[in-house]
Amino acid sequence: DAKTTQPNSMESNEEEPVHLPCNHSTISGTDYIHWYRQLPSQGPEYVIHGLTSNVNNRMASLAIAEDRKSSTLILHRATLRDAAVYYCILQRLYNFNKFYFGSGTKLNVKP
Amino acid sequence: GAVVSQHPSRVICKSGTSVKIECRSLDFQATTMFWYRQFPKQSLMLMATSNEGSKATYEQGVEKDKFLINHASLTLSTLTVTSAHPEDSSFYICSVEAPGETSGTDTQYFGPGTRLTVL
Repeated sequence: DAKTTQPNSMESNEEEPVHLPCNHSTISGTDYIHWYRQLPSQGPEYVIHGLTSNVNNRMASLAIAEDRKSSTLILHRATLRDAAVYYCILQRLYNFNKFYFGSGTKLNVKP
Repeated sequence: GAVVSQHPSRVICKSGTSVKIECRSLDFQATTMFWYRQFPKQSLMLMATSNEGSKATYEQGVEKDKFLINHASLTLSTLTVTSAHPEDSSFYICSVEAPGETSGTDTQYFGPGTRLTVL
């Protein structure tokens, strides 16, 4: 399994930026970094993914360290709807693109 | 992305019966789907990879005779929990492997999940 390490929980204020960290020191050169989030009793929702360069989409930004051993998911303005468990996952292309989920970070957003 | 549905959303059955869960890819023809299970307050655990037209590949520790997977078409994979017992009660989630929003690799799009309760 490709292991990732995330803080168990984080808290943010509404309308402020949130930086969710993820360590993946055993990442290999072809591993993609994926982020998902999950609300209770729902399937995970795709957020963003990248390989080496920073990535932006309508939901978030992904900042990848130069050595790729860590990454940060950035929510630019947190809303109450962003409260969820966020998972950082390494996709190993040589292992049939399987995802192995870690324990994730539970984000609480305060109004 | 791909839109994925699951049916039923929740099911309650008696111990010893079999339950079938359907996973449909509504707008993408998927050669590969995945099945996960999630216990309360835990993370998702990969159970198996479902390959269209061939046998599923199971993760270590997952009983293939108990969790039967059939991927007969590019839009449908089914998971059958045979002779279900209370310890099989869980949240079962499927995903579809499809191209991501950015180029480079496919990603996974998940269904809404099926809550199975075995009495």
